Amino acid sequence: KAGVTQTPRYLIKTRGQQVTLSCSPISGHRSVSWYQQTPGQGLQFLFEYFSETQRNKGNFPGRFSGRQFSNSRSEMNVSTLELGDSALYLCASSSGATAGSPLHFGNGTRLTVT
Amino acid sequence: EDQVTQSPEALRLQEGESSSLNCSYTVSGLRGLFWYRQDPGKGPEFLFTLYSAGEEKEKERLKATLTKKESFLHITAPKPEDSATYLCAVQVGRAGTALIFGKGTTLSVSS
Repeated sequence: KAGVTQTPRYLIKTRGQQVTLSCSPISGHRSVSWYQQTPGQGLQFLFEYFSETQRNKGNFPGRFSGRQFSNSRSEMNVSTLELGDSALYLCASSSGATAGSPLHFGNGTRLTVT
Repeated sequence: EDQVTQSPEALRLQEGESSSLNCSYTVSGLRGLFWYRQDPGKGPEFLFTLYSAGEEKEKERLKATLTKKESFLHITAPKPEDSATYLCAVQVGRAGTALIFGKGTTLSVSS
């Protein structure tokens, strides 16, 4: 079974630009979550989508947004990039059917903002 | 505020030297506690889910246990390939799969 696929693997952007990251979940998984990982803050939850609806949202500014398509694929968008947005962005998929359903992570997109 | 704290931040072991990693949590409505392993340049890899105090799970040289306030990841006779960052996370009392992660313990095992 193919794992979670994230594209691109690396991105370099300039302050003020916007960026879109893509995630293809494990086949059959309806829940897709996004996390930001930095050395200082560790892994922090951004948002979760389930069946095309945002189910949960973390404490990030409105510049961070996402969506999920009918085939469960998801995209995350960051507008007006700031230097502090440099991080590893991880996507995770889950069946989401029961409490404690494990999340399966992709290898992330490394975003560098200059 | 829900919080997860892992200790130590870093741990160096000799091959075969058993030890334990700690994850303490302060949360309301624990739905599950998760352990992940993360290798450099990769996403976290799922290891275990624990649901209630007293529960234990094992996989090869790893054993995870859970109490009402903390979880331990015991590593028995580690090998160099066990070197990685081990992350603990909790899922709390709301719908969905959102996890609160600790900052991890980086384990180095030398031969």
